[in-house]
Amino acid sequence: AQTIHQWPVAEIKAVGSPLSLGCTIKGKSSPNLYWYWQATGGTLQQLFYSITVGQVESVVQLNLSASRPKDDQFILSTEKLLLSHSGFYLCASAGTGGDERLFFGHGTKLSVL
Amino acid sequence: SQWGEENLQALSIQEGEDVTMNCSYKTYTTVVQWYRQKSGKGPAQLILIRSNEREKRSGRLRATLDTSSQSSSLSITGTLATDTAVYFCAETNYNVLYFGSGTKLTVEP
Repeated sequence: AQTIHQWPVAEIKAVGSPLSLGCTIKGKSSPNLYWYWQATGGTLQQLFYSITVGQVESVVQLNLSASRPKDDQFILSTEKLLLSHSGFYLCASAGTGGDERLFFGHGTKLSVL
Repeated sequence: SQWGEENLQALSIQEGEDVTMNCSYKTYTTVVQWYRQKSGKGPAQLILIRSNEREKRSGRLRATLDTSSQSSSLSITGTLATDTAVYFCAETNYNVLYFGSGTKLTVEP
């Protein structure tokens, strides 16, 4: 069974500071990977997806960037945080070959002050 | 119903009651998924229904899909307090999974 580990579990950061969130997937080779953002009490908004190492597609522009340095790793980052970046960040993995189901990590709660 | 709604919908029921949640999807899609998210956790998929299925059951869950009205529903029979969560429908379009606004279900014991 695949497992998704996200780090850190929670972050409190200052406006204008940099951010790096990570996600590691175990138990599945070459998964499609996704980053989602969720405001408190809100729905999930897909930010990025990656179908292979080194390739990342952006879905919405939120002054964030993503990278996939390894097959099992997905990184979300920004050089300057905004107040609007606060929320819950979720990494997800899907199988290839027509499995549309997403498996989500436990998420990272980000508070920007 | 979800989608087109700016705010999370909320339902509160007693344990043992049945409940139905609805959503309308925007694009032409062949797959609708329903997810459940418990407080502070990532969502977990409950059920996936394809356009050629119209109805799908899994334990106490029943999902329907009406492609003519672009709508889907999720019913839970004999609810339990542990069913308390936010329920989202989601549709796929070119590697993007679009989630509805969600229904917050509270099941009182």
